[in-house]
Amino acid sequence: EADIYQTPRYLVIGTGKKITLECSQTMGHDKMYWYQQDPGMELHLIHYSYGVNSTEKGDLSSESTVSRIRTEHFPLTLESARPSHTSQYLCASSRNGLNEKLFFGSGTQLSVL
Amino acid sequence: QKEVEQDPGPLSVPEGAIVSLNCTYSNSAFQYFMWYRQYSRKGPELLMYTYSSGNKEDGRFTAQVDKSSKYISLFIRDSQPSDSATYLCAPTGFQKLVFGTGTRLLVSP
Repeated sequence: EADIYQTPRYLVIGTGKKITLECSQTMGHDKMYWYQQDPGMELHLIHYSYGVNSTEKGDLSSESTVSRIRTEHFPLTLESARPSHTSQYLCASSRNGLNEKLFFGSGTQLSVL
Repeated sequence: QKEVEQDPGPLSVPEGAIVSLNCTYSNSAFQYFMWYRQYSRKGPELLMYTYSSGNKEDGRFTAQVDKSSKYISLFIRDSQPSDSATYLCAPTGFQKLVFGTGTRLLVSP
C-alpha cells in the first residue's frame, strides 16, 4: 500500500474561497506531482517537483500554485476557487530516475458551487 | 491527435471471461509501458510494467507491447468481479509519461 496521503477526500466550497489541498508522502521520494482528472478523461499533469524548492508547471495550464518546502509535503493552493475548478485532484510521488512508477494518493474531489 | 488512444468503455463481461484491453500511441520515443488500475474513488495503482516489445505475465495478467505498430494490450484471464475498475495505459520515455483515458471494466458475477 502506498504511503501517500491526501486531505481532504471531499471538499465543497463556495466561489471565491481560498483553498489548500494537502499531500504528504512518507517514502522519501524526491519527485512529486499533481494531476487533475475529470470523469472519463485523461489524467492531466498540472504541477510537479523534483525536490525541495523545485516546482514546475505541467502540461495543463492551471490557476493553482504549489510549494515544496519539505520533501514529504507538496500542497496545492487555489487563491480564489471557481466552478471551473471542480474536479478530482490526484497527488503522486516517485523515486528519482527515469521512468519510475508513480504512487498515487486517493485524491481530493473538489466541488466549487 | 492524442498521444495515447484508449477506448473508454465501459466493457462488460461475465465472471471467468478473458478480457482484452488495448491502447495505441503515436510517440516512438516511448520505451516503457505501464498499466495502472484505478478503483472507484481511489488513485491509480501500478499493475504491470514492461520495457520495449514483447510479453510479460504476472498471474492472471499479461501485458503485451508491439512497438512496430505502437499497440499495447493487457489481457486478464479468468476475470473476477474484483477486477472491475478502470485500466489506464501509460507509455513513458525520456521522463515523459502520458496516460490514456482509461477503459472502464465491469465484471459481473
